[in-house]
Amino acid sequence: DQQVKQNSPSLSVQEGRISILNCDYTNSMFDYFLWYKKYPAEGPTFLISISSIKDKNEDGRFTVFLNKSAKHLSLHIVPSQPGDSAVYFCAASDNTNAGKSTFGDGTTLTVKP
Amino acid sequence: GAGVSQSPSNKVTEKGKDVELRCDPISGHTALYWYRQSLGQGLEFLIYFQGNSAPDKSGLPSDRFSAERTGGSVSTLTIQRTQQEDSAVYLCASSRQGYNEQFFGPGTRLTVL
Repeated sequence: DQQVKQNSPSLSVQEGRISILNCDYTNSMFDYFLWYKKYPAEGPTFLISISSIKDKNEDGRFTVFLNKSAKHLSLHIVPSQPGDSAVYFCAASDNTNAGKSTFGDGTTLTVKP
Repeated sequence: GAGVSQSPSNKVTEKGKDVELRCDPISGHTALYWYRQSLGQGLEFLIYFQGNSAPDKSGLPSDRFSAERTGGSVSTLTIQRTQQEDSAVYLCASSRQGYNEQFFGPGTRLTVL
């Protein structure tokens, strides 16, 4: 039973356009959500996060939206740049198990020049 | 300061041999995690250490897998009698107490022939 799902294995967008990466979760205990970015041959790096008390968090070109009723979150990148091409992992955690996160399988984003 | 380091970066071994993978977390981080990523798959949780608490071993796939964390710092993941399906990238991460964001090392690519 996969508790965090990224249903799109890959996404391709044109440079300058918006990239939208989606993530769904099933565990209603999750109250903190994170996005990580991973380049080949490197470990994932933290990108942006959101607490369940918010529905939006913005950091520069990156915005994460949380819809608790739908158990859905999304990462928006605008404008997309070729350097954004990477694998993006969604992760979720709950305070009863602080720190331990459950990861999705990742979405490979390709931004074409 | 230094990030999370892992050694070796690559390990090729023969089926049936034992291997040890090392992780040096960021100084002061109380939590340490091991994951593995098989080809084309997401991050599979293996084990989680938090301070002096008993580790969460719920992700270890078999009793051939074990991990230690000595002195609350360095950790070693040991795989006994390796099998070809153990081939994967093994990632280590650490985090500060009370924080969900994890900092990942570059990983160890294990190939079992």
